[in-house]
Amino acid sequence: QQPVQSPQAVILREGEDAVINCSSSKALYSVHWYRQKHGEAPVFLMILLKGGEQKGHEKISASFNEKKQQSSLYLTASQLSYSGTYFCGTDQTGANNLFFGTGTRLTVIP
Amino acid sequence: EAGVAQSPRYKIIEKRQSVAFWCNPISGHATLYWYQQILGQGPKLLIQFQNNGVVDDSQLPKDRFSAERLKGVDSTLKIQPAKLEDSAVYLCASSHLALTGGQDTEAFFGQGTRLTVV
Repeated sequence: QQPVQSPQAVILREGEDAVINCSSSKALYSVHWYRQKHGEAPVFLMILLKGGEQKGHEKISASFNEKKQQSSLYLTASQLSYSGTYFCGTDQTGANNLFFGTGTRLTVIP
Repeated sequence: EAGVAQSPRYKIIEKRQSVAFWCNPISGHATLYWYQQILGQGPKLLIQFQNNGVVDDSQLPKDRFSAERLKGVDSTLKIQPAKLEDSAVYLCASSHLALTGGQDTEAFFGQGTRLTVV
């Protein structure tokens, strides 16, 4: 039931763009995206609900393809502060009991 | 507002010993979660409470792990006896009412307790 994330790791230069993908084999109610910096707690980025619109948060946006049970996180014009591990969490029931992927480690270099 | 509080931050125990972790969620949050995060992996949900009732504990190893949330506020997670493979960070999170999903189900995580079993 754990979603699969790709890529596992990516290195960007400041200003470059990246896409992180999350795929589930189960029908989903929603997809949640979090970022975790080393030694810190995960921090919420956004939720995408079934039937909802693409969400955006400054230069970070995401989409949810319900038919394919896939979500993608788009980071544009990356900043040093974007470095961290990105996790998608999938909710199959609407009860917010998430299954998290193994994460994508993003490193932004000057 | 104050965040999710957890204690202790670090704990080292020998295998077969017992250990307990404490969590105080954000005031007014009805839903509380305990996650286990093994190094290099994503968080794994152990148990989810709605007020003081259990919503989901399907991934909780009930032969050694137990959790309670008396009075629907603070929560404790206990491991007895601990095994080497229990070494992980134990994260507590809380959110508003979650059973219907929606935009207000953002979960706020605490700093976690890093457990090392030797």
